[in-house]
Amino acid sequence: NAGVTQTPKFQVLKTGQSMTLQCAQDMNHEYMSWYRQDPGMGLRLIHYSVGAGITDQGEVPNGYNVSRSTTEDFPLRLLSAAPSQTSVYFCASSYLGQGMNTEAFFGQGTRLTVV
Amino acid sequence: DQQVKQNSPSLSVQEGRISILNCDYTNSMFDYFLWYKKYPAEGPTFLISISSIKDKNEDGRFTVFLNKSAKHLSLHIVPSQPGDSAVHFCAATSGTYKYIFGTGTRLKVLA
Repeated sequence: NAGVTQTPKFQVLKTGQSMTLQCAQDMNHEYMSWYRQDPGMGLRLIHYSVGAGITDQGEVPNGYNVSRSTTEDFPLRLLSAAPSQTSVYFCASSYLGQGMNTEAFFGQGTRLTVV
Repeated sequence: DQQVKQNSPSLSVQEGRISILNCDYTNSMFDYFLWYKKYPAEGPTFLISISSIKDKNEDGRFTVFLNKSAKHLSLHIVPSQPGDSAVHFCAATSGTYKYIFGTGTRLKVLA
């Protein structure tokens, strides 16, 4: 049981380049989300999905796109990278257990540097 | 507008003593609260949670207290161990899919 898997672990991009951060989970969780972690800012929600085909914006969505074509995968796209997107990105998944809230499970993170 | 606040960026505690980490929130719609710890170069890992219908939840060395009227929660770790040295985040949600995190408190347990 791999849990939440993120690839790549590290990436350096030039300003203006595009890339996709991959996230996959094998726990059949309905909910998936992307966060970024910056010094002194904690974890901030970028986008989230409550199921295949359904996505919505979080606290800091600008510059990022997402889609959810399957339950397992939730890729995050940077269309034109900017130095302000230098950060550590975490993908998380969670589920609604018998109508009750549950915890989110996190991947190991992707450290992205935009130069 | 920060909905979840951790006002202490760091905390140092002697091994074996109690660690108390604090968190405040502003959104009265939050009904589920969580604590995570994070080591460098790793993803956050879940520690303990509490529903808004409770005011206390215990799991081994970890106890979370919730004061709804004050919109305040705290995490007690006793006894503190060196492995507890990490950044601890509190988080809140009203729907399991949209967690709002605080800025974290770096706990250092001194041997």
